Amino acid sequence: DTGVSQDPRHKITKRGQNVTFRCDPISEHNRLYWYRQTLGQGPEFLTYFQNEAQLEKSRLLSDRFSAERPKGSFSTLEIQRTEQGDSAMYLCASSTPGQQTYEQYFGPGTRLTVT
Amino acid sequence: EDQVTQSPEALRLQEGESSSLNCSYTVSGLRGLFWYRQDPGKGPEFLFTLYSAGEEKEKERLKATLTKKESFLHITAPKPEDSATYLCAANTGGFKTIFGAGTRLFVKA
Repeated sequence: DTGVSQDPRHKITKRGQNVTFRCDPISEHNRLYWYRQTLGQGPEFLTYFQNEAQLEKSRLLSDRFSAERPKGSFSTLEIQRTEQGDSAMYLCASSTPGQQTYEQYFGPGTRLTVT
Repeated sequence: EDQVTQSPEALRLQEGESSSLNCSYTVSGLRGLFWYRQDPGKGPEFLFTLYSAGEEKEKERLKATLTKKESFLHITAPKPEDSATYLCAANTGGFKTIFGAGTRLFVKA
């Protein structure tokens, strides 16, 4: 088991461009989460998948953001028409479906810089 | 509104100088209290889960404790490699996990 992986690790883009990030969760984990983290802050929840179903989206997730998890495996997060305020670390996490086990295991993150 | 507050924002210690990090939470129905370690430019690394008041967990030089309103991360005889940001997070059920802003720990040799 190699843990949660994310690609790319770094992305520099110009304002107005679209970007897409990929997350591969731990193989037996059916729950997948996306967070955004800015400097000096903790991760902020963006969206949550259980298997292939997107069950919750934060109000932070504007209509420029879209996430998918086809077939309940990897997930993608797309940001359209990027703005400088989108610059942040985008983190993906996954967790198992156990009753009491809500621990989330994080990937290394994708650092987005919008110029 | 559910809230998690960590203090201090930053903590500077000499190697071997024990101390504690505080996490205060105000949430409706705590299901689990998590501690994570985050190194610069990396994702958070899971450390502990605490489920009920009075529970304690240990790992090497770290010990986490939980009361009905707070959690503490005690660091005994820290080493420079313990330098990192420590994040506290409260789960209120299912996907709902709220993170604090973290405490940045610096341990000087």
